[in-house]
Order: sequence, then C-alpha cells, then structure tokens
Amino acid sequence: GAVVSQHPSWVICKSGTSVKIECRSLDFQATTMFWYRQFPKQSLMLMATSNEGSKATYEQGVEKDKFLINHASLTLSTLTVTSAHPEDSSFYICSALTVGTNYGYTFGSGTRLTVV
Amino acid sequence: DAKTTQPNSMESNEEEPVHLPCNHSTISGTDYIHWYRQLPSQGPEYVIHGLTSNVNNRMASLAIAEDRKSSTLILHRATLRDAAVYYCILTKGAQKLVFGQGTRLTINP
Repeated sequence: GAVVSQHPSWVICKSGTSVKIECRSLDFQATTMFWYRQFPKQSLMLMATSNEGSKATYEQGVEKDKFLINHASLTLSTLTVTSAHPEDSSFYICSALTVGTNYGYTFGSGTRLTVV
Repeated sequence: DAKTTQPNSMESNEEEPVHLPCNHSTISGTDYIHWYRQLPSQGPEYVIHGLTSNVNNRMASLAIAEDRKSSTLILHRATLRDAAVYYCILTKGAQKLVFGQGTRLTINP
C-alpha cells in the first residue's frame, strides 16, 4: 500500500533556530500534501495544504512566515519551523492524498519537535 | 464542513466486537465518511471509508444508516492493538481532512 515517510521522527533544537521536517511519498506521486500539528491529549490541527509547484494554502491563524512549506516535487514536501520557540514544541504530522484509491489519505509517522 | 459527533471514550473487552458510533446529521450527498485511528505517538492510520453502502475490509466494517446521518465502525474481534483514538471524518472527495476529538477506545484484556 501507499507509504509516506516522515523524517526526522524526533528533533530537539534551541530557541531561535530553524528546523526542517521532510515528508516523502515512497511509492506514489502526491500532488497534494497536508501538514498538521498536535499538542498532547488534543486532536490534530490542520496547518496547511501543500500543492506541488504552487504556494501552500494556510489555515486561519497559522503564520506562513513562521511555518514555511515547500512542495517542489511530486514526492517531497517540507515544513520548516523558523525561529523556533518553546511554544512551537509539538507533534507535526504530514499526510498525502492517495489519488486512485477513492481519495484515501496516508499519514506519516510524525515528528516530535522539542524546542529548548 | 459538515460536523461529526462521537463519544469521547469507549471501553470494550479483548476478542469482543466493538461498535463505534458517529453522528453526522448535516452530511451532504457528496460527503464521504472516513474513519482513521491513531495509536499513541504515531500518525493516523486509515481504517475504512464509504459513501452510501456498507463497506468491509480486513480491518473493520462500516455500517452507514439509510439516511446517512449516522454511521458505525465495527471491529469484529477487538485486540489490545486496537486501543487507539478513532476519528470519524466527513470529506468531499480530494479535500482536506479536518479532525474532531474522536473516540478513545480502551480494550481490556
């Protein structure tokens, strides 16, 4: 079946630095990917929709200059958390739309970001 | 987006069937009903989805009410590995998934 690989699975960074998270579709082309964040004991919150070759569409309240999304190829989308602060510590999850299977969605395994 | 309502939590015993309900009274004719589950510290996992007819796969069954205002995810024989948060989500084709709070399922040995 469709596999989405997310890397790294966890990362610790210092306040003020930037962190890049990668999301790859391994055996299919993903024209559309989604990025979520999840705080402890809460549900997933959609941050943005990423379309290959175009600018990402951000959900209301999500700072596009802080969470940079690049979807330069049909198999790779990246999320860069710029100038990270402790409040950005969260579980970040990507998802890809698996066209051809009646619109199933495949999720990455998530990235645990801790900003110290 | 049409909204879904699920119980916050449910509990069942190992090797027994589990019926997870979902209400979606404002569903439109083009909304698909998706079920995903999330194990601790993992990304969500696809379980099943349907439009109008009941659906079966190796993981579960999806029973959709005739008026489509509710659905039930059926795990035929629960195992400890089925303990997760289960999300019922409505979406129109290739659109974003918006997650609600889901149902936290606990399986007792």
